[in-house]
Amino acid sequence: ETGVTQTPRHLVMGMTNKKSLKCEQHLGHNAMYWYKQSAKKPLELMFVYSLEERVENNSVPSRFSPECPNSSHLFLHLHTLQPEDSALYLCASSQDPGQVFEKLFFGSGTQLSVL
Amino acid sequence: QQPVQSPQAVILREGEDAVINCSSSKALYSVHWYRQKHGEAPVFLMILLKGGEQKGHEKISASFNEKKQQSSLYLTASQLSYSGTYFCGTERSFDNYGQNFVFGPGTRLSVLP
Repeated sequence: ETGVTQTPRHLVMGMTNKKSLKCEQHLGHNAMYWYKQSAKKPLELMFVYSLEERVENNSVPSRFSPECPNSSHLFLHLHTLQPEDSALYLCASSQDPGQVFEKLFFGSGTQLSVL
Repeated sequence: QQPVQSPQAVILREGEDAVINCSSSKALYSVHWYRQKHGEAPVFLMILLKGGEQKGHEKISASFNEKKQQSSLYLTASQLSYSGTYFCGTERSFDNYGQNFVFGPGTRLSVLP
């Protein structure tokens, strides 16, 4: 148990569907992240939230829409995805929203398949 | 900008040693190491900072050579539990939150009995 919980663990969706991924951290951290992990690519940073404010959007297509209602919860809203968006989506958190990229605590991820 | 890791994959027998390398073409401020077991979340192992000392985690240690812009992860007397994919993450500067931190492609380590 890493203190970061992601739901659902698996998700299959069609290209016209709208779905959301949920992440919750129980560590009292102030920064939360979305990463994408594809089969043959390294971990790619998508979004960073610091104290509920988005501080990083790493050129992610608008079909991915993050939401951070409070420092413990992070969502990734998905709509009109493409098959190439199939991947493992990992949520992570870190202690402080400082300028040094800190130790990350990852959730187990949501394995997304887009048909 | 992405660091290079070598080897891509390694197979060991229990009790053997291994070295995983991570190198960058850019000057580095820090190197981070994570391990991800199949179907699980990546887990933090250690951070090495510029000018810092060699770190250790169980029987896993690492060094950071700033001049060569590379880090090496040393796995001594490997155990079955060491199996997984090892990622290095490199940070090129102290600021620009998130933008300068990049993960390498990973090294898949398999320890056999």
